[in-house]
Parts: sequence; structure tokens; C-alpha cells
Amino acid sequence: AQTVTQSQPEMSVQEAETVTLSCTYDTSESNYYLFWYKQPPSRQMILVIRQEAYKQQNATENRFSVNFQKAAKSFSLKISDSQLGDTAMYFCAFMKPPGGRGSQGNLIFGKGTKLSVKP
Amino acid sequence: EPEVTQTPSHQVTQMGQEVILRCVPISNHLYFYWYRQILGQKVEFLVSFYNNEISEKSEIFDDQFSVERPDGSNFTLKIRSTKLEDSAMYFCASSAFALGNQPQHFGDGTRLSIL
Repeated sequence: AQTVTQSQPEMSVQEAETVTLSCTYDTSESNYYLFWYKQPPSRQMILVIRQEAYKQQNATENRFSVNFQKAAKSFSLKISDSQLGDTAMYFCAFMKPPGGRGSQGNLIFGKGTKLSVKP
Repeated sequence: EPEVTQTPSHQVTQMGQEVILRCVPISNHLYFYWYRQILGQKVEFLVSFYNNEISEKSEIFDDQFSVERPDGSNFTLKIRSTKLEDSAMYFCASSAFALGNQPQHFGDGTRLSIL
């Protein structure tokens, strides 16, 4: 079974600084997807960034980038130029591709890291 | 941008009562999911649904749970006889396809409190 581990329950960063959130996972699959979701106090989970395991290039979305180390099964999120609006719970999630008729890709989440951006 | 909407935002129910949580997925999405998050714990997969039938379900999704798409827009989660341990935030999600390059879009969640 796949597992996702986020070892940092809480982190804080000063506005405009850079912060890195850690995530490791365990799987025997060779092809899969990894995601970072953000859950601000308003509660809705929003996709921040995704990475396909077969792509070696690290995904980037504006101020958000990942460091994907497939051999180490590590998928960290870097937030550059942190903003107050980045304050949220961040969840790392794993999804294996659907495996045939009737099988959907279900997300397996880590416990989350609560990030506070301080002015 | 289209959103997944969930109602109610907060549901308080007596133990043993039935509860129905409602979701309106994004209109052109075909794949639907329910997840739950017990306070302070990780988000857990409950069930996925496609073409009017359950695709997969987790161990959590026992006989007390059922899902339904009663019309062309709603997707519901029913808990037949609620228990204290059902207290959690329940999230509905939908996606256009069941692939990682088509992300799941989540609703705001329904906070279910069982008394």
C-alpha cells in the first residue's frame, strides 16, 4: 500500500522569504502522480502543483516549485517570496494511475503541514 | 472558474440518525469522489464513482455508507445510522478524467458533528 509522510506538522516563514515543505512517500509503482494541495482557512482544497513521476523535470508554477527525487521517493515543495495569503495547511498527495475498467485514481494524502507566513 | 459546491457547510446530527451530504460537481466532470478528514488527521479516501456506479471504496466505506447521483447534477453521500466516530469534515471532489493530469477539484467540505 502507498503511504505519504509529511514530517513537519507546522512551519513558519517571514513574508518574502523562501520555505520548503517536505514530503516522502512509499510505493512500488513506477508510474504515478504527486500533488501539493493547499487548504486555507476558508477550507477549500486547492491544487498548487503536480508532478508526473515519469517526468524528470521538476514542476514549477510561478512562486511554487518542487524538488522531485524519484529514487529517494521525496517530493518537497518550495515557496519563494512567501506571501501572507500562502498561510494555509499544505497537503502532499500521491495518486497511482487508474488500473483498468472501473478503477479511478484516488488520492492518498499526508497529514499536512500548517504553514504560517508572518509579516 | 467552475467550482464544486457542497451543502450544508455544517451538519449537526444525533447519533443513530441518517444524514445526507450533498455535492454538486463541476458540470462537465465525470468522476466523483468523497473524502473525509477527522479533526487533526489526514484526509482519507472514502469512495469513487463513475458512470452511476462505485469504482472503488476504502475500508472506511462500510455498509452504513452509500452514494448516489439522483439526477444530472447532484452527488450525495448518505450515512445510514451515524456514529460518534463519523464526526469529520467530508469533502466531495470531481475530475474530468481519472488521470493525474486532470486534477481533482474539491468542494469546501461539510463539517459533520455527531452528538
